[in-house]
Amino acid sequence: NAGVMQNPRHLVRRRGQEARLRCSPMKGHSHVYWYRQLPEEGLKFMVYLQKENIIDESGMPKERFSAEFPKEGPSILRIQQVVRGDSAAYFCASSPVAQGYTFGSGTRLTVV
Amino acid sequence: ILNVEQSPQSLHVQEGDSTNFTCSFPSSNFYALHWYRWETAKSPEALFVMTLNGDEKKKGRISATLNTKEGYSYLYIKGSQPEDSATYLCAPQRDSSYKLIFGSGTRLLVRP
Repeated sequence: NAGVMQNPRHLVRRRGQEARLRCSPMKGHSHVYWYRQLPEEGLKFMVYLQKENIIDESGMPKERFSAEFPKEGPSILRIQQVVRGDSAAYFCASSPVAQGYTFGSGTRLTVV
Repeated sequence: ILNVEQSPQSLHVQEGDSTNFTCSFPSSNFYALHWYRWETAKSPEALFVMTLNGDEKKKGRISATLNTKEGYSYLYIKGSQPEDSATYLCAPQRDSSYKLIFGSGTRLLVRP
């Protein structure tokens, strides 16, 4: 069991470009959560998804950010027209039921 | 919004010292309390999930207690070792909500 896989580990984007972050949950896990860690801050909840459904996106910025978890394939967190303030570590976690997370190693996004 | 506070923010101890830190959280609608250990450049790793008032959990030299009535949990490390150096996060879970709200963590550094 490979655990929660996130890629890429590091991503550099210029301002205005799109960033796509991928998360493959653990086998058998149908619940996916995305968290963001801004510099010098803790983990902040962004969105919770089950297969093909967004359950709670209350932590997502209203513009430029979107997330999906299709029937087949990884969950994707997409950030359009990135700005410097989007630079952060983005962590994905998964669980078989709605608790007890297993985290991935994160994607560190740097916007230049 | 849950207000989760962890103290101290950081802690430096000598190898062999025992140490403890605190997580405080609103006690209303309590469901569970999660502790995670997060080493630099790795993913947060689950340590304990505690649900009952008075619960005490132990894993090797690390133990935790829970007081749900007053809304706090203590994490203890006996005989700290350099490999215990990490950030320790707590995350209360409200009702049976899937959403974990993380504290900012206690950053522990154990000097050899």
